Amino acid sequence: QSALTQPRSVSGSPGQSVTISCTGTSMDIGGYKFVSWYQQHPGKAPKLIIYDGTMRPSGVPDRFSGSKSGNTASLTISGLQADDEADYYCCSYAGGYIYVFGTGTEVTVL
Amino acid sequence: EMQVVESGGGLVQPGRSLRLACAASGFTFEDYAMHWVRQGSGKGLEWVSGISSNSGDIDYAAFVKGRFSISRDNAKNSLYLEMNNLGPDDTGVYYCTKVFSGSYFDAFHIWGQGTAVTVSS
Repeated sequence: QSALTQPRSVSGSPGQSVTISCTGTSMDIGGYKFVSWYQQHPGKAPKLIIYDGTMRPSGVPDRFSGSKSGNTASLTISGLQADDEADYYCCSYAGGYIYVFGTGTEVTVL
Repeated sequence: EMQVVESGGGLVQPGRSLRLACAASGFTFEDYAMHWVRQGSGKGLEWVSGISSNSGDIDYAAFVKGRFSISRDNAKNSLYLEMNNLGPDDTGVYYCTKVFSGSYFDAFHIWGQGTAVTVSS
């Protein structure tokens, strides 16, 4: 199972919006609703920010939103803040009992 | 507070074995599927293995299948990962994760701080 494809980096100024894409296939993203997104600050454990493609766990700001179209999922961060500077990973169920992560995207706040 | 704490990492020679453990607290462990995820130094996250709440459903990433074995002891609120025939590519931080709502088919909600595994001679 190949890793899902994410851009290596994206950047934006405070207050702007950035969108991270996550491209897979019909065997993973396109075939199931189980897409999740994780935020990871340097030296820290990942944090769940989106599950089931569009849902936010309690405590995650509504500045974070998820969507999916075909074989591509997307994470949008609105109203970019300094603390949003981190690595972001998508993850999808891939059939059987297998999961696959994305390659990761570094978000820089200019 | 829901919490998982990994242990058992360390330095091991290529070809040797290591057993990781994950102690869970603050939630009803037997109701939740659990997974292991790893991260090489400076690299991305990789799903390693998952196990359903009753151990009925188990699977592994292709790169560890046949070498790693996941198990759990619900009476002890513990998750394990037995790693055999380790190679340098297995080096990294191994995270234990609890799913969001219970089902195997779910997001990874609670993460431990990770335990570092280094495979080197």
